[in-house]
Amino acid sequence: QTVVTQEPSFSVSPGGTVTLTCGLSSGSVSTSYYPSWYQQTPGQAPRTLIYSTNTRSSGVPDRFSGSILGNKAALTITGAQADDESDYYCVLYMGSPVFGGGTKLTVL
Amino acid sequence: EVQLVESGGGLVQPGGSLRLSCAASGFTVSSNYMSWVRQAPGKGLEWVSVIYSGGSTYYADSVKGRFTISRDNSKNTLYLQMNSLRREDTAVYYCARGGSSGWYFGYWGQGTLVTVSS
Repeated sequence: QTVVTQEPSFSVSPGGTVTLTCGLSSGSVSTSYYPSWYQQTPGQAPRTLIYSTNTRSSGVPDRFSGSILGNKAALTITGAQADDESDYYCVLYMGSPVFGGGTKLTVL
Repeated sequence: EVQLVESGGGLVQPGGSLRLSCAASGFTVSSNYMSWVRQAPGKGLEWVSVIYSGGSTYYADSVKGRFTISRDNSKNTLYLQMNSLRREDTAVYYCARGGSSGWYFGYWGQGTLVTVSS
């Protein structure tokens, strides 16, 4: 069974840039997996950030961007702010959607 | 405005049943693919089930044969019937509307907590 991999944790300084990745335990991620990204703060429902690799959901600031980097999907946050401190999940569609384990982002 | 409001969660004993509801407004449930996603305490998100506009349904292996997704078009409501509940089904259950391009979760409800315990 293919596992979707994410960094368990990441840290970024305020104003800095961070790239979170979403890979496969076997194989490469491509646009055909329709990578999507979600932000979740404790006690809240997830919020959709990016879909179809690089399309921002309505209302999402342009400092969030999605791409394919090498063999992984990537979420880049440019000019990180304190309220970006959240858990970030990617989803790859492989006939059914599969969540990555999530990345806990700390802004400090 | 798209809104999803879940209800029906609560405390249930192992082996018991529960039906979750997700009342939708601002769009037509039957015209979209709709999913249930859950999150166990302190854990990540896990997809549970999807129903497509044509009526096809699919389930995660962890719930297959125990959970049933359905919708009531007249009430514009999505359901999740959960039978033979196990302690590991304890989670916040979110309903989500599919997106318009590709495959993704476009809109989310606020979630309802299901606790399976004796």
